[in-house]
Amino acid sequence: AQTVTQSQPEMSVQEAETVTLSCTYDTSENNYYLFWYKQPPSRQMILVIRQEAYKQQNATENRFSVNFQKAAKSFSLKISDSQLGDTAMYFCAFTNRDDKIIFGKGTRLHILP
Amino acid sequence: EAGVVQSPRYKIIEKKQPVAFWCNPISGHNTLYWYLQNLGQGPELLIRYENEEAVDDSQLPKDRFSAERLKGVDSTLKIQPAELGDSAVYLCASSLEGPGTGSTDTQYFGPGTRLTVL
Repeated sequence: AQTVTQSQPEMSVQEAETVTLSCTYDTSENNYYLFWYKQPPSRQMILVIRQEAYKQQNATENRFSVNFQKAAKSFSLKISDSQLGDTAMYFCAFTNRDDKIIFGKGTRLHILP
Repeated sequence: EAGVVQSPRYKIIEKKQPVAFWCNPISGHNTLYWYLQNLGQGPELLIRYENEEAVDDSQLPKDRFSAERLKGVDSTLKIQPAELGDSAVYLCASSLEGPGTGSTDTQYFGPGTRLTVL
């Protein structure tokens, strides 16, 4: 069975700093998709970034980038120049082509002024 | 473009009472998901619809939970009777396509319904 592990329940960083959130997963599949979702205190979950496993190039979306290490089954999220609005729960998620999406337990990120 | 709409946003009921949640997905999205999210946890899938068909309801507690998606658009999730342990946030999400269709598309989430069972 696929699993997603986020080992950092909570993190705090100063505004403008860079922060990296960790995520590891376990699967025997070769083709799959990985996501980072953000859930602010208002609770609306929004997609931050996605990565297709067959792509070697790490995905980037403005200040958000991932470090995808397929062999190590690691998918970390880096937030550069962090902003107060980045304060939220961040969920790492996994899905293959034929199965449901599986979420990790989340990392609560606090950006401090 | 309007996002996924859910109502009500909050619901407080006494145990053993019935409750229903409503979801309107993004226009044109064929796949609809209902998730349960407990405090401090990630969402867990309850049921997934491809158009009108429930294609994955393996995690839905069928003794008290039911769902429907008439006409392949709006969906309702019902609990009857509610138990104390059902207190959680119920999230609805939709995507253009779902797993098994050859394309795993991004899921867009609604704001959720926070249920409190007293």
